[in-house]
Amino acid sequence: KNEVEQSPQNLTAQEGEFITINCSYSVGISALHWLQQHPGGGIVSLFMLSSGKKKHGRLIATINIQEKHSSLHITASHPRDSAVYICAVPTAGNQFYFGTGTSLTVIP
Amino acid sequence: ETGVTQTPRHLVMGMTNKKSLKCEQHLGHNAMYWYKQSAKKPLELMFVYNFKEQTENNSVPSRFSPECPNSSHLFLHLHTLQPEDSALYLCASRRRGSGFEAGELFFGEGSRLTVL
Repeated sequence: KNEVEQSPQNLTAQEGEFITINCSYSVGISALHWLQQHPGGGIVSLFMLSSGKKKHGRLIATINIQEKHSSLHITASHPRDSAVYICAVPTAGNQFYFGTGTSLTVIP
Repeated sequence: ETGVTQTPRHLVMGMTNKKSLKCEQHLGHNAMYWYKQSAKKPLELMFVYNFKEQTENNSVPSRFSPECPNSSHLFLHLHTLQPEDSALYLCASRRRGSGFEAGELFFGEGSRLTVL
């Protein structure tokens, strides 16, 4: 069993829709990371959060430490948001557990 | 542009070839990582270096040989690879530390390796 579980694995949305991606983890953490990977491979860090909520533009990340759950929301989705979104939690040894990713396709 | 540069972006090699992947960062980070990404699988940690010292070798076959000459450069030397080694190889860097203090991971664009 993976220490980090994401859902859904695949998601297709119409442009403009509100999108939610979920991440559950089973280990104790000090921070949780949301990453974005576009076709072609490069990965970009979107958020690092340890409590509450963070917002960057149309992206919002929330975390509930007690429930060991985080969500990534995209408001007014756009085709350029199409990517794989990955949840990651650090281990005590400066490594990471990664989710398998959520593949998002936003259709115009 | 994340500040982490990987070369080459694409590499095709035969099973008897020897090649190297290169990663470079000038972000002042002192933890550097090699990850392997295969289709439909989570990122797989291969090696971790802190201050040029290898701190983790995640049971990686010896046909993969890392080298970290300084805290800004990381290499992955490849020899006698197998077709199942075909994957995207990603380099990442981070400040050394624990938890929130260590900050975010910065990834390179990856090197897409195909072994024939």
